[in-house]
Amino acid sequence: EADIYQTPRYLVIGTGKKITLECSQTMGHDKMYWYQQDPGMELHLIHYSYGVNSTEKGDLSSESTVSRIRTEHFPLTLESARPSHTSQYLCASEDRDNEKLFFGSGTQLSVL
Amino acid sequence: KNQVEQSPQSLIILEGKNCTLQCNYTVSPFSNLRWYKQDTGRGPVSLTIMTFSENTKSNGRYTATLDADTKQSSLHITASQLSDSASYICVVTDRGSTLGRLYFGRGTQLTVWP
Repeated sequence: EADIYQTPRYLVIGTGKKITLECSQTMGHDKMYWYQQDPGMELHLIHYSYGVNSTEKGDLSSESTVSRIRTEHFPLTLESARPSHTSQYLCASEDRDNEKLFFGSGTQLSVL
Repeated sequence: KNQVEQSPQSLIILEGKNCTLQCNYTVSPFSNLRWYKQDTGRGPVSLTIMTFSENTKSNGRYTATLDADTKQSSLHITASQLSDSASYICVVTDRGSTLGRLYFGRGTQLTVWP
């Protein structure tokens, strides 16, 4: 059972709003990731972090930011939401020993 | 271009039957290959992870095989159950990347009918 949590599970907001998607894990993993997934499509990397105060951009990062002030917490912020941001957002952390990825349940975001 | 291709895109089988899902990849150099199960509206859950030196790995009714020479992997599900209905995703790690870059397939959507 993975100890990685995402909130909210569902979010409907209007265009232009600033939102923060929360992700927390209690497994002490250094590596954490944010992915975006549309139905029937592969996961796309948005941001990743290899530890506290370490954040890097992925393939779809241009319109979002992340922070890693604490090991267990890795929030994702959209400064100005657009309808094109409508998607499922998945947070993951990685066990360094066996390289197993643990995913949260995701946040389904709808921007009107 | 590093890619992971999965087939079939979707599959319907009857409960109790076996099935095999395919994954072909061009990621090189290759580090490991993982299979994940993703229920609708949930995050993926790890089934197996294999390095280039492993040919097969099992997890209950799930058995993954790997042929690193032909860059092919398969996931065999035995005696399917209704709860096996999900998307099965193949993920390959690029050993050449300092970041251990992961490449995801689009998944095979499996539906098990009673």
